[in-house]
Amino acid sequence: DAKTTQPNSMESNEEEPVHLPCNHSTISGTDYIHWYRQLPSQGPEYVIHGLTSNVNNRMASLAIAEDRKSSTLILHRATLRDAAVYYCILRSEYGNKLVFGAGTILRVKS
Amino acid sequence: EADIYQTPRYLVIGTGKKITLECSQTMGHDKMYWYQQDPGMELHLIHYSYGVNSTEKGDLSSESTVSRIRTEHFPLTLESARPSHTSQYLCASRPDRGKDNEQFFGPGTRLTVL
Repeated sequence: DAKTTQPNSMESNEEEPVHLPCNHSTISGTDYIHWYRQLPSQGPEYVIHGLTSNVNNRMASLAIAEDRKSSTLILHRATLRDAAVYYCILRSEYGNKLVFGAGTILRVKS
Repeated sequence: EADIYQTPRYLVIGTGKKITLECSQTMGHDKMYWYQQDPGMELHLIHYSYGVNSTEKGDLSSESTVSRIRTEHFPLTLESARPSHTSQYLCASRPDRGKDNEQFFGPGTRLTVL
C-alpha cells in the first residue's frame, strides 16, 4: 500500500473551517483516498473517501488534487466534538486492508 | 450506526491467564479485522478474516490467535497473558461487496495485564 504523509498536529478555533492536508505522492491509479477519525477513547470512524473527484457528505468535504498526489479534508465549521486524530489512508480498488499511519491530531479551541 | 460489539470493554488480568476478547457484528459482513493500539500510538493490524474458516496474520506479529466459525463472530484469544500484551484491541468489519466500502469499528477492549 502506498504511503501517506500528514502533519503531526493542527489547531483550529471553534466555528472556523479546518483544512487537513495529506500527501500521497506514490498513489497508484486504483488507490482510493480514505479518511477516518478517532475520537478520544473510541474506535476509528469513517469520514469520507474519494478517487478523483471532490466529494462532499454530511461530515466533511474531500478535495483531491488534479494529479492525485495530495488531498485535503475540509471540516466546514469545526466544533469541540471534532477534536480527534484524523487518518488519511490509501486503499487499492479491491484491497482488503486499511493500514493506519500516525494521523493528524486536531485540537479545537473554544 | 455501526452494529459491531466488543466485550469486555475493560479487562485487568494477571500474568499467565488465558483470555478471549469477543467481537461480533450483526451486519452480515464477510471481512473482519483485529487491530492493536498502544496509547497515543498508531493502529496495527494483527489479524483479519475474509469469511468463515478464513484467518490471516496481519502486518504486526502477535502472540494472539483468532477463529472464525460463524460470520458474525471473530474472537481473539491469548493463551497466556503477559504485561507486554497490555494494549487496546479494536475489532472492525466491512462488507465484501463493493470495491470501496467503509470499515466499521467496535469500541475496543482495553486490556491490562499485571
